Amino acid sequence: EVQLLESGGGLVQPGGSLRLSCAASGFTFSTYAMGWVRQAPGKGLEWVSGIRDSGTTTTYADSVRGRITISRDNSKNTLYLQMNTLRVEDTAVYYCAKEPQYCTRNNCFFDFWGQGTLVTVSS
Amino acid sequence: EIVLTQSPATLSLSPGERATLSCRASQSVSSYLAWYQQKPGQAPRLLIYDASNRATGIPGRFSGSGSGTDFTLTISSLEPEDFAVYYCQQRSNWDTWTFGQGTKVEIK
Repeated sequence: EVQLLESGGGLVQPGGSLRLSCAASGFTFSTYAMGWVRQAPGKGLEWVSGIRDSGTTTTYADSVRGRITISRDNSKNTLYLQMNTLRVEDTAVYYCAKEPQYCTRNNCFFDFWGQGTLVTVSS
Repeated sequence: EIVLTQSPATLSLSPGERATLSCRASQSVSSYLAWYQQKPGQAPRLLIYDASNRATGIPGRFSGSGSGTDFTLTISSLEPEDFAVYYCQQRSNWDTWTFGQGTKVEIK
């Protein structure tokens, strides 16, 4: 059974940093691309970042580029999201999600999601 | 950037009724569209991918159709557990992921 368990959320002041983790199990983590999606309170879904299976290719939404870094440790089956210079508008539940293997340049979706971790940016 | 517009914003129906949700893309996305269901306090769940393929474990009352710019998610007969928010989604150029703004299906 695929399981994705996020951790690391919490309350942080504007300008602060936080690192989120996502522990994966139930599948061969090193062979799947992964991503992070966030959801501000009462709002819709927003893709944040993605990383290919090997970790060599990363992508970011314009809203977070330069402030957020995605990475993975395939030996630990863990995905990370390092968030720096946090803003009030980064307040959201952050979901870790898995891509299926057959994704292409213009066709992809997330077949499994974690339960999310809440990040609150406030003074 | 492709924009996905979902309608209606809210759909008020009774259990047993048919629900028809729309997702319109600002330009053609071929058949590369997915649908998710999200219940309060829960993560999204994949329902449909490639416009019309049901994900593993999704009941047959859920179906997707469409191609190009116009897509539909149909729930043939609403069960109590189907009242939720539904999102459409597509990806382009590896790094541009777009979600629709969501349609809430509520109990009438």
